[in-house]
Amino acid sequence: QMQLVQSGPEVKKPGTSVKVSCKASGFTFSSSAVQWARQARGQRPEWIGRIVVASGYTNYAQKFQERVTITRDMSTNTAYMELSSLRSEDTALYYCAASTSTSRFDPWGQGTLVTVSS
Amino acid sequence: DIQMTQSPSSVSASVGDRVTITCRASQGFSSWLAWYQQKPGKAPKLLIYAASTLQTGVPSRFSGSGSGTDFTLTISSLQPEDFATYYCQQANSFPHTFGQGTKLDI
Repeated sequence: QMQLVQSGPEVKKPGTSVKVSCKASGFTFSSSAVQWARQARGQRPEWIGRIVVASGYTNYAQKFQERVTITRDMSTNTAYMELSSLRSEDTALYYCAASTSTSRFDPWGQGTLVTVSS
Repeated sequence: DIQMTQSPSSVSASVGDRVTITCRASQGFSSWLAWYQQKPGKAPKLLIYAASTLQTGVPSRFSGSGSGTDFTLTISSLQPEDFATYYCQQANSFPHTFGQGTKLDI
């Protein structure tokens, strides 16, 4: 079945970086786009950016433009999201989701908890 | 950025009720809108995409409609497993913003 499996929880110090992975199976990864969103406790999801897997083309939310890099490795069917200069407000669950047509974001990964604390 | 505003923010209902949730966009667009259901501790689950297309495997009691600035999600006859939080997301332009959510409880 279509599935995205994300890497495990992370605890980071302020000012450092985190890299979250998202491994795809059960569908043609190269024909998809992968979006990343985060969700702080009790809040709505917040869109971070996305990558078109075939071309590697990316779009980022202005809020994260200077700090985020989304990449993919087609040899391992894995997408990555790296966020730098972490601060406490970046503490959240980070999700990836794949789409094969516009607005059809399914499946989603299980989420990766990133905690930023000194 | 397109702002997405859902109403109501919360709603109390009973099994068998018909419930409608609205998502209003700050700028109009055609149909690139998705609806999700989220339960505590779980990832969002896609219900509807392209405003009105039911995702495979989703019960037919869920339906979506709308275009322009106003979109709706309707649950025709609530079941116990439908009590959750619902979000809309626009995919018309970047960033693909989400609504603030509608919590559906008993």
